Amino acid sequence: EPEVTQTPSHQVTQMGQEVILRCVPISNHLYFYWYRQILGQKVEFLVSFYNNEISEKSEIFDDQFSVERPDGSNFTLKIRSTKLEDSAMYFCASSLDGTGASYEQYFGPGTRLTVT
Amino acid sequence: GQNIDQPTEMTATEGAIVQINCTYQTSGFNGLFWYQQHAGEAPTFLSYNVLDGLEEKGRFSSFLSRSKGYSYLLLKELQMKDSASYLCAVRESGSNYQLIWGAGTKLIIKP
Repeated sequence: EPEVTQTPSHQVTQMGQEVILRCVPISNHLYFYWYRQILGQKVEFLVSFYNNEISEKSEIFDDQFSVERPDGSNFTLKIRSTKLEDSAMYFCASSLDGTGASYEQYFGPGTRLTVT
Repeated sequence: GQNIDQPTEMTATEGAIVQINCTYQTSGFNGLFWYQQHAGEAPTFLSYNVLDGLEEKGRFSSFLSRSKGYSYLLLKELQMKDSASYLCAVRESGSNYQLIWGAGTKLIIKP
């Protein structure tokens, strides 16, 4: 069964450093998403991406964040200058349909980011 | 403002039935989703409701009442592997992609 993959599974970085989290969505999916989940807290939407551009973003997704689809398979989230409060699990998701009446988002296993 | 409420934790017995409620107050409504999340793992899709009524999918069913801003997830014939958090998420009208998530209900299954 096709699945979303993410690398690395765990990233430790120092405050102020840049990190890039990588995702490979399901190959025929067209819509891509990033979420984060701080330990013990709710899942929070960051951004959605379609047709090589951001389609929606939340208030969390400020200028420190950027997304890119550098080739036909990868989807990346970059945090330019990490802060302690960026420590969280970051989930990538993809869906075949984005604007239809229903869609199912498939989540990757997540990258645990620890900022020290 | 946006608000999604679920009970924090519930306990049930293996083989029994449990109902997990979710109430929401959002800027319009364009669909409600239930996801299951085992500890340390990613959420996995369970169900989707956009019209009032019950959607059945094997042991799991989900109900929606848009006028009441209310949904529930019904789990039958509980198994130990159903021990997980169950997340309610709402897509607002005017939004195609963004899901607003509840904090989740941790379900503990006892033998």
